[in-house]
Amino acid sequence: DAKTTQPPSMDCAEGRAANLPCNHSTISGNEYVYWYRQIHSQGPQYIIHGLKNNETNEMASLIITEDRKSSTLILPHATLRDTAVYYCIVRVQGGSEKLVFGKGTKLTVNP
Amino acid sequence: GAVVSQHPSRVICKSGTSVKIECRSLDFQATTMFWYRQFPKKSLMLMATSNEGSKATYEQGVEKDKFLINHASLTLSTLTVTSAHPEDSSFYICSAAELRGGRNIQYFGAGTRLSVL
Repeated sequence: DAKTTQPPSMDCAEGRAANLPCNHSTISGNEYVYWYRQIHSQGPQYIIHGLKNNETNEMASLIITEDRKSSTLILPHATLRDTAVYYCIVRVQGGSEKLVFGKGTKLTVNP
Repeated sequence: GAVVSQHPSRVICKSGTSVKIECRSLDFQATTMFWYRQFPKKSLMLMATSNEGSKATYEQGVEKDKFLINHASLTLSTLTVTSAHPEDSSFYICSAAELRGGRNIQYFGAGTRLSVL
């Protein structure tokens, strides 16, 4: 799996948009970008994933650059409950393909 | 999203005993499940890939005789920590891969915190 680079920590004010960057400059053509988050002492939660087009769901938006070497996860209106470690992972889309977790970004949403 | 149930959420045991952790996919079938371990303030580390009806694939450095994995059905995988010792104390998390409509997403259980005295 390609490696990803994320800032170790970020802060965001409650109600504002949180933009979490991820660099994956060695991503292969058949690798997807997945985002998960882990709230303290819980299992990771799936957020969103994409290949090359921008994606949006009820939780977040994923913006992938045209060269696919980086992406940004956007939480449009952050709440205190969004405080968590956010992981950006790239991998091929196969049922037996494992997820390799890096260190992620610790997002703290402040009141 | 799909639901993965993990039980128990917390277990405290004496050194030398064995502990079994269950991972169930509640509303989908999972031919592949994964077991992770997480130490405090560290990221998740994959221990093994569990395939229904076949032997698990263990990551390098993980003792297969100590961490027994059984994936007997499409909705249940179990991890047994045999002869547990204090250094096995950790947060164990399972995930199950849901394949639907060309999408492949892993959903995680809530985790099991194991404390070995």
